[in-house]
Amino acid sequence: DAKTTQPPSMDCAEGRAANLPCNHSTISGNEYVYWYRQIHSQGPQYIIHGLKNNETNEMASLIITEDRKSSTLILPHATLRDTAVYYCIVRVADAGGTSYGKLTFGQGTILTVHP
Amino acid sequence: DVKVTQSSRYLVKRTGEKVFLECVQDMDHENMFWYRQDPGLGLRLIYFSYDVKMKEKGDIPEGYSVSREKKERFSLILESASTNQTSMYLCASSGQGGGYTFGSGTRLTVV
Repeated sequence: DAKTTQPPSMDCAEGRAANLPCNHSTISGNEYVYWYRQIHSQGPQYIIHGLKNNETNEMASLIITEDRKSSTLILPHATLRDTAVYYCIVRVADAGGTSYGKLTFGQGTILTVHP
Repeated sequence: DVKVTQSSRYLVKRTGEKVFLECVQDMDHENMFWYRQDPGLGLRLIYFSYDVKMKEKGDIPEGYSVSREKKERFSLILESASTNQTSMYLCASSGQGGGYTFGSGTRLTVV
């Protein structure tokens, strides 16, 4: 699986958009970008994933650059409950987005949302 | 929503004990995983399973074994618990669609 690079920490004001970057310059054609987050003392939570088109769901938006070498997770209106570690993971999946095998977690980005 | 349930939230065991950590998922997922998480080391994969009675070693399988007799249940076994196995243990499952669902974790302390 391709390696990812994320900033170790970021801050965001409550109510503002949080934009979390991820670099995955060695991504290959059949690798998807997945985002998870982990709130303190809980298991990681799936947020969103995508291949090359931008994606949006009730939690967040995922913007993938045209060359697919980087992506940005956007939390449009961050709340205090969004304070967590955010993990960007790249891995192979089939045409339906189903991936198999292990997820490899890096250190992620610690997002702190301030009042 | 997929639910992954781990049998205990907190557990304290003595050195040398055999420890069973149980994980059950309710969405008929084929794949199940056991991770441990330690400060500064992140999440590390111990074992995973693609199907009933199938198992694969992850990155740190030493000192652990697993059992998957039924599709919905994946057990992690510490054959002889040691203090360096004190950790947060996380179970996860995945199926069609790609997203992995994690349990809430079991914080194991070996004394």
